Amino acid sequence: ILNVEQSPQSLHVQEGDSTNFTCSFPSSNFYALHWYRWETAKSPEALFVMTLNGDEKKKGRISATLNTKEGYSYLYIKGSQPEDSATYLCAFRLSGGFKTIFGAGTRLFVKA
Amino acid sequence: DTEVTQTPKHLVMGMTNKKSLKCEQHMGHRAMYWYKQKAKKPPELMFVYSYEKLSINESVPSRFSPECPNSSLLNLHLHALQPEDSALYLCASSQDNYNEQFFGPGTRLTVL
Repeated sequence: ILNVEQSPQSLHVQEGDSTNFTCSFPSSNFYALHWYRWETAKSPEALFVMTLNGDEKKKGRISATLNTKEGYSYLYIKGSQPEDSATYLCAFRLSGGFKTIFGAGTRLFVKA
Repeated sequence: DTEVTQTPKHLVMGMTNKKSLKCEQHMGHRAMYWYKQKAKKPPELMFVYSYEKLSINESVPSRFSPECPNSSLLNLHLHALQPEDSALYLCASSQDNYNEQFFGPGTRLTVL
């Protein structure tokens, strides 16, 4: 059974704090790793698509890194704002098709 | 138009009812997905259609029957469901098996 684990399950930070969370995935049959942000009452929205070992992607205050050999990705948020409060999901895409396995997400709460 | 729409938003049905969930996208995406998500669990892939053909069926019980009438539409027909099928059903689409998925807001299904 292929498993994608995310930690921590939830995180409470103060406005202005920087934070990071982890996604662990199988190191075999890797095709791509996606990060999504899911705000309450909205649809999940893609943040990053990562494919190459050592990839680093950045969008504003959010960045992500990828290590396909050891099977992990980190998501970093610099200077958290209340509007960053959401669930952050990672999704592992297997090679050869459309199969996608999601982690359970990290729920981030940013207090003003 | 980068939106995936889903109807209805909420659905309550009895175990003997027949109902359908609908999903639509007009981004020209060739892959469409159904996911089931229970509280605090990751979205679980149910079906994937690629170029209007069923590409993945993740051993989903036959009381769930997907249909892709054309490249923009995806239906999920429901019949004789069980209370444990109550969940959020998410539809998504993507350009191909590499790029990110675009999600609809989901249908919250309750089976009585």
